Amino acid sequence: GNSVTQMEGPVTLSEEAFLTINCTYTATGYPSLFWYVQYPGEGLQLLLKATKADDKGSNKGFEATYRKETTSFHLEKGSVQVSDSAVYFCALRGGGNEKLTFGTGTRLTIIP
Amino acid sequence: DTAVSQTPKYLVTQMGNDKSIKCEQNLGHDTMYWYKQDSKKFLKIMFSYNNKELIINETVPNRFSPKSPDKAHLNLHINSLELGDSAVYFCASSQTGTGRGYGYTFGSGTRLTVV
Repeated sequence: GNSVTQMEGPVTLSEEAFLTINCTYTATGYPSLFWYVQYPGEGLQLLLKATKADDKGSNKGFEATYRKETTSFHLEKGSVQVSDSAVYFCALRGGGNEKLTFGTGTRLTIIP
Repeated sequence: DTAVSQTPKYLVTQMGNDKSIKCEQNLGHDTMYWYKQDSKKFLKIMFSYNNKELIINETVPNRFSPKSPDKAHLNLHINSLELGDSAVYFCASSQTGTGRGYGYTFGSGTRLTVV
């Protein structure tokens, strides 16, 4: 079956630091890949997505590239802000009407 | 207008009680889901309904019973609440036929605390 493995947290960085949160997946076929973000006390919001190999998803300064050869979809941001503090979830969705499969989430804390 | 709305946002209740959580979406989606998020933030799908029909029923105690009166609503009823049911429950929706490139739209969650 499909699965997503995320870098374990928590991750604590200083403001303006470079961020990488690792995500690798196992899936049959050609899944779509997603990053969701959950701010404190809120629901999940779609941050970015990529639907095929070598696609790059980007939003709010975050980027992730669909790497089929390494089955990875690492999340990056060049300069984080305090407001980026949240839990980040990597997810995939296979073909048909397959359900969205989530990783375990990575809690990110940015300190001023 | 909120796309996926859940009520209540917070629910504190005693062990043994029966409670319901309601979810409504105004996106015109035909598939709705319930997820449970535990204290470690792990998300686990519980149920999925497509056009009022149950299509996903993960290993969930039968004290949990979803009901979908129409494709815009999916409610979750929980009987005989236990301490371990304390969690945040998220409703989500999506549209079939749009392909795997579409994720889900989530509600803001219902924090259930059983005391």
